[in-house]
Amino acid sequence: RKEVEQDPGPFNVPEGATVAFNCTYSNSASQSFFWYRQDCRKEPKLLMSVYSSGNEDGRFTAQLNRASQYISLLIRDSKLSDSATYLCVVKLNTGGFKTIFGAGTRLFVKA
Amino acid sequence: DGGITQSPKYLFRKEGQNVTLSCEQNLNHDAMYWYRQDPGQGLRLIYYSQIVNDFQKGDIAEGYSVSREKKESFPLTVTSAQKNPTAFYLCASSKAKTSGIYNEQFFGPGTRLTVL
Repeated sequence: RKEVEQDPGPFNVPEGATVAFNCTYSNSASQSFFWYRQDCRKEPKLLMSVYSSGNEDGRFTAQLNRASQYISLLIRDSKLSDSATYLCVVKLNTGGFKTIFGAGTRLFVKA
Repeated sequence: DGGITQSPKYLFRKEGQNVTLSCEQNLNHDAMYWYRQDPGQGLRLIYYSQIVNDFQKGDIAEGYSVSREKKESFPLTVTSAQKNPTAFYLCASSKAKTSGIYNEQFFGPGTRLTVL
């Protein structure tokens, strides 16, 4: 079982749709959580950190459920420019710098 | 403008050759990392360094070597011992562990290595 699992997709949605991604993690030492966005053939870029209380940034909302060990990302009013791969990232509290990246979920937003 | 630079953007290598990928950052970050990304897979950690003159193996260090002689620089050498080196290589940096648990990693633009 992978330490961080995501539905690879692709998710194909029309502009204006709401889309949700889930990510599950297996290591109970997981301490901090992030969503990154990666455009085709580019580097990953931080989209948002995910806090225990949940957080929102414009059209994007991230939630954390420690009991069930999953995080989610909700995108409202999808734009064409949201088309990308979304990476779930988990940082472990093991005394070092262990950061685990999910394989990503691909999103295509269509006109 | 602060950031991370990697060079070259594309690199072609013949079998049996060693090649070195450059990574430089001017973010004043203590920690630097090298990852490898293959299609359909998550990033896998090759090496990381928390401080100058010190580095640690990641999950897939075999066939790779690094150095950290300066805070700003963390070059990666792909040796001929790496059996399947064709991949997208990403360098990242972050603040020191002690400055907070939400120290995100910032990535360079990557180097695409192809073995001919």
